[in-house]
Amino acid sequence: QITLKESGPTLVKPTQTLTLTCTFSGFSLSTSGVGVGWIRQPPGKALEWLALIYWDDDKRYSPSLKSRLTITKDTSKNQVVLTMTNMDPLDTATYYCARRMGPVPTRFDFWGQGTLVTVSS
Amino acid sequence: QTVVTQEPSLTVSPGGTVTLTCASSSGAVTSAYFPNWFQQKPGQAPRALIYGTSIRHSWTPARFSGSLLGGKAALTLSGVQPEDEAEYYCLLYYGGAPVFGGGTKLTVL
Repeated sequence: QITLKESGPTLVKPTQTLTLTCTFSGFSLSTSGVGVGWIRQPPGKALEWLALIYWDDDKRYSPSLKSRLTITKDTSKNQVVLTMTNMDPLDTATYYCARRMGPVPTRFDFWGQGTLVTVSS
Repeated sequence: QTVVTQEPSLTVSPGGTVTLTCASSSGAVTSAYFPNWFQQKPGQAPRALIYGTSIRHSWTPARFSGSLLGGKAALTLSGVQPEDEAEYYCLLYYGGAPVFGGGTKLTVL
């Protein structure tokens, strides 16, 4: 059974750094073709892809947020961590992590339940 | 920045058929973009439906089908059920960077 679960603060202040952890089970991030991504969704708005990390430690970031994001993995703990610096109220959103399977055809198949992060002073 | 465009909203009658589309600002959508489709109901996480243009996940009902249509990715629902009322998102891959569409709110009425 594959599961993913996001954890982290529910409230952060503007300019602070957000750190979110995705803890997963049922698969290994050391298996070829596997990745874990982060996606967010502001209230009432569309999904937005943020970052991806692959089994071989290759990392990809959304061009519009690249300067603020860092994604890392701890394969032994089955965790992926996303940090986002200089948080702004516009970053208020539900943050999801999802498994990415590849290489071809690539897909996000299993998702976490999401965690709502509010940015407010 | 590439923009992926979907119909903001569509309405369909129960038992009917509806097609949602997904267009790319960079030109025609092809299978090389590995179109994915997701369904999201209020208060829930997205659920994967289709990948690789037309491949259903093991849990996806057969009434959902994916294709390429007129330079766009398309999701067709045949024999629509009331429980299909939801937001639907497409996802295209641009050289390893995924981009979501703005979503289509499907109403079953």
